[in-house]
Amino acid sequence: DQQVKQNSPSLSVQEGRISILNCDYTNSMFDYFLWYKKYPAEGPTFLISISSIKDKNEDGRFTVFLNKSAKHLSLHIVPSQPGDSAVYFCAAISNTGNQFYFGTGTSLTVIP
Amino acid sequence: DTGVSQDPRHKITKRGQNVTFRCDPISEHNRLYWYRQTLGQGPEFLTYFQNEAQLEKSRLLSDRFSAERPKGSFSTLEIQRTEQGDSAMYLCASSLHTGFNTEAFFGQGTRLTVV
Repeated sequence: DQQVKQNSPSLSVQEGRISILNCDYTNSMFDYFLWYKKYPAEGPTFLISISSIKDKNEDGRFTVFLNKSAKHLSLHIVPSQPGDSAVYFCAAISNTGNQFYFGTGTSLTVIP
Repeated sequence: DTGVSQDPRHKITKRGQNVTFRCDPISEHNRLYWYRQTLGQGPEFLTYFQNEAQLEKSRLLSDRFSAERPKGSFSTLEIQRTEQGDSAMYLCASSLHTGFNTEAFFGQGTRLTVV
């Protein structure tokens, strides 16, 4: 039962343009959402998070948007850089907070 | 504190052998999680500790798997009688939970290959 879904396995973007990564979830009890970046053979690195009481959170080039009614969140990277090329995972946790649920990831390639 | 540390980074073992992995979380973090990741998948939850108490285990965690967190500090994950299907990246994460959800920080992972 995949409660967090990333329907785009891969995305290619030109350097300097915007990257938009999408994530959908099914569990309305989720109240905290996170994005992680992962390079091969390494553990996921935390990027940015958002609480369900907000609809937007920004940190430098990274912005996460949350649409609770649609159960959808997205990560915007502007401007995209070649070093952003990695696999991005979205994750969610409920207010009982006993485990993080992860999507299957989107592989982002930023073309110089 | 340099973050979550896992040891070893890589482990190759023969089918049927036992293996043990260690995780040292960020020192002030009270929650510690174990996840497993295979190629093309997101991390899958195995178990988590609140301080020294193991509060939840996934059904993925068969009776060949056991985890401990003595004294609420480092944790070990042991797999007995390893099978080829156990080959995966084993990830440890920690977080500081004070009644509200916060981010979890992951270690570099232990890559297990069962031959």
